[in-house]
Amino acid sequence: EAQVTQNPRYLITVTGKKLTVTCSQNMNHEYMSWYRQDPGLGLRQIYYSMNVEVTDKGDVPEGYKVSRKEKRNFPLILESPSPNQTSLYFCASRPDYSPVLTFGAGSRLTVL
Amino acid sequence: AQSVTQLDSQVPVFEEAPVELRCNYSSSVSVYLFWYVQYPNQGLQLLLKYLSGSTLVKGINGFEAEFNKSQTSFHLRKPSVHISDTAEYFCAVTPSGTYKYIFGTGTRLKVLA
Repeated sequence: EAQVTQNPRYLITVTGKKLTVTCSQNMNHEYMSWYRQDPGLGLRQIYYSMNVEVTDKGDVPEGYKVSRKEKRNFPLILESPSPNQTSLYFCASRPDYSPVLTFGAGSRLTVL
Repeated sequence: AQSVTQLDSQVPVFEEAPVELRCNYSSSVSVYLFWYVQYPNQGLQLLLKYLSGSTLVKGINGFEAEFNKSQTSFHLRKPSVHISDTAEYFCAVTPSGTYKYIFGTGTRLKVLA
């Protein structure tokens, strides 16, 4: 089944403890991206990647890092999480020839 | 800069009644437009899209939307809603030829029995 898989789905952590949210897609998509969803703010783009080793900032990149070493994987790294990064995170991918995004199921992160 | 406005944060409607969820956007370049639906505790699922061609687009679950370039709108409609349509709906745009996606703040549709 064609899908985007995120892990973990739920995570509670403490301020300053580095964490990584993984994202993997099995559709051979060139483009992958990360979003955060907050009440009243909708989804905001954090980072995106057009292909392996090519990444760029979205609208809210502060406090996040990404890497794209393989086509299928696009992990989101929080080096020193803070409470304002408590949010619902979505990974999405799309092929080069279509602008339609396929989303993962989401990762709910709580930073205490 | 592009932006997307969904003026209605919540829309209550009775079952079998029609509904319209409004979406307006601003952009100085041509855009692709989308509506996504998010059911409770799930990811986003594509309802419909406008890429080019006919301005009236039909999607899944009986939804349709009309692209109005002069009014920069892409309103979502359904002639008769069901309880199962209760969800949050997001309008989104991406300027053609770019990798940026801009989402609206969402509209919670609550269908009442």
